[in-house]
Formats: sequence, structure tokens, C-alpha cells
Amino acid sequence: GDSVTQMEGPVTLSEEAFLTINCTYTATGYPSLFWYVQYPGEGLQLLLKATKADDKGSNKGFEATYRKETTSFHLEKGSVQVSDSAVYFCALSDLRGADGLTFGKGTHLIIQP
Amino acid sequence: DAGVIQSPRHEVTEMGQEVTLRCKPISGHNSLFWYRQTMMRGLELLIYFNNNVPIDDSGMPEDRFSAKMPNASFSTLKIQPSEPRDSAVYFCASSPIGGRNGYTFGSGTRLTVV
Repeated sequence: GDSVTQMEGPVTLSEEAFLTINCTYTATGYPSLFWYVQYPGEGLQLLLKATKADDKGSNKGFEATYRKETTSFHLEKGSVQVSDSAVYFCALSDLRGADGLTFGKGTHLIIQP
Repeated sequence: DAGVIQSPRHEVTEMGQEVTLRCKPISGHNSLFWYRQTMMRGLELLIYFNNNVPIDDSGMPEDRFSAKMPNASFSTLKIQPSEPRDSAVYFCASSPIGGRNGYTFGSGTRLTVV
């Protein structure tokens, strides 16, 4: 079945550092790929998405590129802020998109001032 | 749009009691999903509905769990009887049919069974 693997956390960085959170997936066909962010005590918010190979999703300074050849969707940000501290989830949906999202286990990001 | 609305935000109950969690999806969204989040297992899909019809409930852990969607604007997840291991955050999410553009999540219900 489909699966998503994320790097283990927590990831601790200093403010203004460069961020990469790795995500790889296993799926049949051509899934859509997503990054969600969860702030403490809140639900998941869609951060960015990509629906086909080589697409780049971007939002709030975060970017991720759908790499079919490496089955990856790594999240990057050039300069993180304390307010980016949260848990980040990589996820995929199948071709039809109607059967629910498959999530990675999440990566807890801590940004220190 | 008010987004996906879940109630209650927090629920503390004693073991053996019945618990009902509620969800109002975004108007016009045809798919509704119930997820459970725990530290040990992460996010698990419990059940989902398309056009109010349950499609896949294979993620429901036991017969103690049941979910209904009587109309397009309301769904419930019921646990009867509840057990301490049911303690988790339960999320509801909705999307248009064919959610390849992502789902919108509610703020969750934090359930504690003592």
C-alpha cells in the first residue's frame, strides 16, 4: 500500500537557518503530494501541494518539488523564524483523491531565537 | 466560510461511558474523513464518507467505534463503551469529491478517558 516516510525529529535550528525536511513516498500511479503544518493545540493546515511530477508547491516562504524519479517531496525554507516552530506532515493522496490522505509520522521543528 | 467545525474541543470522560464527537464539514464538500492522532501511531484514518455514504471503515479500531453522516452538514463519531486507550485527538476533515487538492481539517477534539 501507499506510505510516506519523513525524517525523524525533533529538528532544532537557529532563527534564519536553512531548513530541509526530507519526505519520500511509495505509491502506485501518480499521487498528489502535500505538506501540512500543525501548530500547538491546533488542527492541520495545508501548507503547500503538488499534483504532478516536477511541480513546485510554495507558500509562506516554504517550497517543495515533486520528484518522481526519486519519489521525494522535500520541504525547504531559506530562512526560518521562531514562528515556524510546529509539526510538519508530509502526505499523499491516490490518483482518485477520494480515499483519504496517507500521512507521514510528522517532524517536530523547533526554532530557537 | 467558518471551516470544518468540531465539538467539543475537549472531552474528559470515565471509562465505560459513551462519547459522541461531532463534525460540521464545509458547505459543498462531498467527502468527510475522521482521523485519530496519537503519539504512538501518528495520524490514522478511521472512516470516510462520500456523499454521506460510508466508503471505507477499515480503520475503525473496534466495534466500540461507530460513525454516521445523516446529512451533508453533520457527522458523528461515537465510542461506546470508551476505554483509556481511546484517549487521543480526533480530527474531522472535508473536501470536494476527489480531494487531490487537499483536505480542510477541523481543530480536533481532545478526548481523555480516565
